[in-house]
Amino acid sequence: QVQLKESGPGLVQPSQTLSLTCTVSGFSLTSYHVHWVRQPPGKGLEWMGVMWSDGDTSYNSALKSRLSISRDTSKSQVFLKMSSLQTEDTATYYCARVLRVPLDYWGQGVMVTVSS
Amino acid sequence: IQLTQSPSLLSASVGDRVTLSCKGSQNINNYLAWYQQKLGEAPKLLIYKTNSLQTGIPSRFSGSGSGTDYTLTISSLHSEDLATYYCYQYNNGWTFGGGTKLELK
Repeated sequence: QVQLKESGPGLVQPSQTLSLTCTVSGFSLTSYHVHWVRQPPGKGLEWMGVMWSDGDTSYNSALKSRLSISRDTSKSQVFLKMSSLQTEDTATYYCARVLRVPLDYWGQGVMVTVSS
Repeated sequence: IQLTQSPSLLSASVGDRVTLSCKGSQNINNYLAWYQQKLGEAPKLLIYKTNSLQTGIPSRFSGSGSGTDYTLTISSLHSEDLATYYCYQYNNGWTFGGGTKLELK
Protein backbone atom coordinates (compact mmCIF):
# COMPACT_ATOMS: atom_id res chain seq x y z
CA GLN A 1 0.00 0.00 0.00
CA VAL A 2 0.98 3.63 -0.37
CA GLN A 3 3.19 4.91 2.43
CA LEU A 4 5.41 7.90 3.04
CA LYS A 5 7.61 8.25 6.09
CA GLU A 6 9.70 11.23 7.12
CA SER A 7 12.86 10.81 9.15
CA GLY A 8 15.52 13.10 10.51
CA PRO A 9 16.96 14.68 13.64
CA GLY A 10 14.52 15.92 16.24
CA LEU A 11 16.82 18.72 17.35
CA VAL A 12 18.93 21.08 15.28
CA GLN A 13 21.08 23.94 16.50
CA PRO A 14 20.47 27.48 15.24
CA SER A 15 22.39 28.36 12.06
CA GLN A 16 22.86 24.67 11.24
CA THR A 17 21.46 22.74 8.28
CA LEU A 18 18.42 20.48 8.51
CA SER A 19 18.44 17.22 6.57
CA LEU A 20 15.24 15.19 6.25
CA THR A 21 14.40 12.05 4.30
CA CYS A 22 11.02 10.98 2.93
CA THR A 23 10.98 7.24 2.20
CA VAL A 24 8.09 6.11 0.05
CA SER A 25 6.57 2.74 -0.82
CA GLY A 26 3.68 1.57 -2.95
CA PHE A 27 4.41 4.00 -5.78
CA SER A 28 7.28 5.21 -7.92
CA LEU A 29 9.02 8.56 -7.60
CA THR A 30 9.31 8.63 -11.39
CA SER A 31 5.50 8.59 -11.67
CA TYR A 32 4.42 10.81 -8.76
CA HIS A 33 5.49 14.23 -7.49
CA VAL A 34 6.44 14.61 -3.82
CA HIS A 35 5.79 17.84 -1.93
CA TRP A 36 7.13 19.06 1.40
CA VAL A 37 4.85 20.95 3.80
CA ARG A 38 5.63 22.19 7.31
CA GLN A 39 3.58 23.28 10.30
CA PRO A 40 4.92 25.26 13.27
CA PRO A 41 3.42 24.23 16.62
CA GLY A 42 -0.14 25.50 16.92
CA LYS A 43 -0.04 27.22 13.52
CA GLY A 44 -1.11 26.57 9.95
CA LEU A 45 0.39 24.70 7.02
CA GLU A 46 3.12 26.12 4.81
CA TRP A 47 3.97 24.71 1.39
CA MET A 48 7.75 24.39 1.02
CA GLY A 49 8.60 22.77 -2.29
CA VAL A 50 8.17 19.88 -4.69
CA MET A 51 10.26 17.18 -6.36
CA TRP A 52 8.61 16.61 -9.71
CA SER A 53 8.46 13.09 -11.16
CA ASP A 54 10.91 14.15 -13.88
CA GLY A 55 13.49 15.20 -11.28
CA ASP A 56 12.90 18.93 -11.50
CA THR A 57 12.14 21.00 -8.40
CA SER A 58 10.10 24.07 -7.42
CA TYR A 59 10.40 26.02 -4.19
CA ASN A 60 8.49 28.47 -2.02
CA SER A 61 10.02 31.83 -2.92
CA ALA A 62 10.31 32.73 0.77
CA LEU A 63 12.52 29.68 1.42
CA LYS A 64 14.24 29.27 -1.93
CA SER A 65 17.62 30.68 -0.86
CA ARG A 66 17.89 28.13 1.99
CA LEU A 67 16.09 25.09 0.59
CA SER A 68 17.19 22.18 -1.56
CA ILE A 69 15.18 19.09 -2.51
CA SER A 70 16.74 16.04 -4.16
CA ARG A 71 16.02 12.33 -4.55
CA ASP A 72 17.41 8.84 -4.94
CA THR A 73 14.93 6.89 -7.04
CA SER A 74 16.77 3.60 -6.46
CA LYS A 75 16.05 3.93 -2.75
CA SER A 76 12.61 5.55 -3.18
CA GLN A 77 13.75 8.51 -1.13
CA VAL A 78 13.29 12.26 -1.39
CA PHE A 79 15.57 14.55 0.59
CA LEU A 80 15.04 18.02 2.03
CA LYS A 81 17.93 20.20 3.11
CA MET A 82 17.42 23.63 4.61
CA SER A 83 20.26 25.80 5.76
CA SER A 84 20.68 28.61 8.29
CA LEU A 85 17.97 27.32 10.59
CA GLN A 86 16.36 29.67 13.10
CA THR A 87 13.92 29.09 15.94
CA GLU A 88 11.01 29.98 13.65
CA ASP A 89 11.87 26.89 11.58
CA THR A 90 10.72 24.73 14.48
CA ALA A 91 7.87 22.72 12.99
CA THR A 92 6.49 19.36 12.00
CA TYR A 93 7.68 18.58 8.48
CA TYR A 94 5.53 16.46 6.17
CA CYS A 95 6.02 14.91 2.76
CA ALA A 96 3.01 14.14 0.57
CA ARG A 97 2.49 12.79 -2.93
CA VAL A 98 0.62 14.22 -5.91
CA LEU A 99 -0.36 13.04 -9.34
CA ARG A 100 -3.80 14.02 -10.58
CA VAL A 101 -5.13 14.46 -7.06
CA PRO A 102 -3.34 16.99 -4.83
CA LEU A 103 -1.58 15.77 -1.68
CA ASP A 104 -3.65 12.61 -1.37
CA TYR A 105 -1.24 10.63 0.82
CA TRP A 106 0.84 12.17 3.60
CA GLY A 107 3.56 10.91 5.87
CA GLN A 108 3.06 10.99 9.63
CA GLY A 109 5.37 14.00 9.91
CA VAL A 110 8.60 14.56 11.79
CA MET A 111 8.91 17.19 14.51
CA VAL A 112 12.04 19.32 14.30
CA THR A 113 13.04 21.69 17.09
CA VAL A 114 15.62 24.40 16.47
CA SER A 115 17.33 25.17 19.75
CA SER A 116 20.76 25.43 21.29
CA ILE B 1 -2.17 33.66 -4.45
CA GLN B 2 -3.21 34.34 -0.85
CA LEU B 3 -6.08 32.37 0.69
CA THR B 4 -8.26 33.77 3.48
CA GLN B 5 -10.44 31.38 5.44
CA SER B 6 -13.42 32.44 7.53
CA PRO B 7 -14.32 32.16 10.23
CA SER B 8 -11.09 31.21 11.99
CA LEU B 9 -13.13 29.53 14.74
CA LEU B 10 -16.58 28.02 14.34
CA SER B 11 -18.70 26.59 17.16
CA ALA B 12 -21.42 24.19 16.10
CA SER B 13 -23.57 21.38 17.43
CA VAL B 14 -23.85 17.78 16.28
CA GLY B 15 -26.38 17.67 13.46
CA ASP B 16 -25.80 21.27 12.34
CA ARG B 17 -25.20 22.21 8.73
CA VAL B 18 -21.80 23.89 8.66
CA THR B 19 -20.30 26.13 6.00
CA LEU B 20 -16.64 27.13 5.81
CA SER B 21 -15.37 29.81 3.46
CA CYS B 22 -12.13 30.26 1.53
CA LYS B 23 -11.39 33.35 -0.55
CA GLY B 24 -8.48 33.75 -2.91
CA SER B 25 -6.65 36.95 -3.79
CA GLN B 26 -6.88 35.92 -7.46
CA ASN B 27 -8.91 33.56 -9.62
CA ILE B 28 -8.18 29.97 -8.55
CA ASN B 29 -9.87 28.37 -11.62
CA ASN B 30 -11.42 25.69 -9.39
CA TYR B 31 -8.01 24.22 -8.42
CA LEU B 32 -9.04 24.28 -4.79
CA ALA B 33 -8.83 21.43 -2.27
CA TRP B 34 -9.94 21.01 1.33
CA TYR B 35 -8.07 19.15 4.07
CA GLN B 36 -9.14 18.05 7.54
CA GLN B 37 -6.56 17.92 10.30
CA LYS B 38 -7.18 16.42 13.71
CA LEU B 39 -4.87 17.09 16.62
CA GLY B 40 -1.60 15.23 16.29
CA GLU B 41 -2.39 13.87 12.83
CA ALA B 42 -1.39 14.64 9.28
CA PRO B 43 -3.93 16.49 7.13
CA LYS B 44 -6.43 14.35 5.24
CA LEU B 45 -7.71 15.22 1.77
CA LEU B 46 -11.48 15.65 1.67
CA ILE B 47 -12.27 17.50 -1.58
CA TYR B 48 -10.23 18.36 -4.68
CA LYS B 49 -10.93 20.38 -7.83
CA THR B 50 -13.56 22.36 -5.87
CA ASN B 51 -16.20 19.63 -5.60
CA SER B 52 -14.66 16.17 -6.19
CA LEU B 53 -15.02 13.97 -3.13
CA GLN B 54 -11.89 11.97 -2.31
CA THR B 55 -12.35 8.21 -2.10
CA GLY B 56 -13.60 7.07 1.29
CA ILE B 57 -14.79 10.50 2.45
CA PRO B 58 -18.41 10.60 3.68
CA SER B 59 -20.95 12.23 1.39
CA ARG B 60 -21.92 14.74 4.09
CA PHE B 61 -18.85 16.69 2.93
CA SER B 62 -19.24 18.75 -0.22
CA GLY B 63 -17.46 21.60 -1.93
CA SER B 64 -18.55 24.40 -4.21
CA GLY B 65 -17.38 27.68 -5.63
CA SER B 66 -15.72 29.38 -8.53
CA GLY B 67 -13.38 32.23 -9.31
CA THR B 68 -12.05 33.47 -6.00
CA ASP B 69 -14.74 32.18 -3.60
CA TYR B 70 -15.06 28.60 -2.38
CA THR B 71 -17.05 26.78 0.29
CA LEU B 72 -16.83 23.51 2.20
CA THR B 73 -20.15 22.30 3.57
CA ILE B 74 -20.80 19.59 6.12
CA SER B 75 -24.49 18.75 5.75
CA SER B 76 -24.92 17.26 9.23
CA LEU B 77 -22.07 17.63 11.68
CA HIS B 78 -20.78 14.47 13.36
CA SER B 79 -18.68 14.57 16.51
CA GLU B 80 -15.73 13.06 14.61
CA ASP B 81 -15.74 16.10 12.28
CA LEU B 82 -14.32 18.33 15.00
CA ALA B 83 -10.98 19.37 13.54
CA THR B 84 -9.21 22.20 11.75
CA TYR B 85 -9.98 22.57 8.05
CA TYR B 86 -7.59 24.06 5.49
CA CYS B 87 -8.21 25.12 1.93
CA TYR B 88 -5.37 24.76 -0.58
CA GLN B 89 -4.97 26.23 -4.03
CA TYR B 90 -2.82 24.63 -6.72
CA ASN B 91 -3.73 26.82 -9.66
CA ASN B 92 -0.85 29.27 -9.45
CA GLY B 93 1.84 27.97 -7.18
CA TRP B 94 0.67 26.23 -4.03
CA THR B 95 -0.84 27.95 -0.98
CA PHE B 96 -2.76 26.97 2.12
CA GLY B 97 -5.35 29.07 3.86
CA GLY B 98 -4.95 29.91 7.52
CA GLY B 99 -7.47 27.31 8.66
CA THR B 100 -10.87 27.15 10.35
CA LYS B 101 -11.07 25.36 13.67
CA LEU B 102 -14.39 23.62 14.14
CA GLU B 103 -15.38 23.06 17.77
CA LEU B 104 -18.42 21.83 19.67
CA LYS B 105 -20.83 24.49 20.88
